[in-house]
Amino acid sequence: TQLLEQSPQFLSIQEGENLTVYCNSSSVFSSLQWYRQEPGEGPVLLVTVVTGGEVKKLKRLTFQFGDARKDSSLHITAAQPGDTGLYLCAVTDNYGQNFVFGPGTRLSVLP
Amino acid sequence: DSGVTQTPKHLITATGQRVTLRCSPRSGDLSVYWYQQSLDQGLQFLIQYYNGEERAKGNILERFSAQQFPDLHSELNLSSLELGDSALYFCASSDVGARGQMNTEAFFGQGTRLTVV
Repeated sequence: TQLLEQSPQFLSIQEGENLTVYCNSSSVFSSLQWYRQEPGEGPVLLVTVVTGGEVKKLKRLTFQFGDARKDSSLHITAAQPGDTGLYLCAVTDNYGQNFVFGPGTRLSVLP
Repeated sequence: DSGVTQTPKHLITATGQRVTLRCSPRSGDLSVYWYQQSLDQGLQFLIQYYNGEERAKGNILERFSAQQFPDLHSELNLSSLELGDSALYFCASSDVGARGQMNTEAFFGQGTRLTVV
């Protein structure tokens, strides 16, 4: 059983559309991170959310941490081809020893 | 630039061989993590070192080993290589506090693409 589940697994949309991807777990976390990984590159941190119900905005990206701190969503407004990539959520494990990543959502934004 | 350096960027080797991947963490980061990412797969945690000592172990094969040196750089050794070991190997570092409290961000290198033929 995966600690983190992400949905959808794949998403292909047209430029200008809006989308939401999800990260879910049955566990409670003190914080959660979202990363974006482009082909052939390492993941790059987008945001860290730490408070239940917290909403953070990064330009056209809106991140929300669930009230119970078990899930999170990433909403992209007016998607652009440059948003294409693998979106990964991650948490530190219960011992704070390592980062556990979800399987990711692979987003493709077509011009 | 994340500040994490991995070498080499690409590596092609034959089955049965042994290779060493190298990682230099961000300046000041004590914690180093190794991950494996197969084609179109997620990141699988292999092992973590903190200030020279092994801190956590994931699904790392017995044929694989790692170490962190006094200057905090780390090496991942892969031996008796098999075709299925072909993957991207990422190193990440993080600024864990001196008391080992939980960190919240990992900074990744650009990875080493290993191809076993």
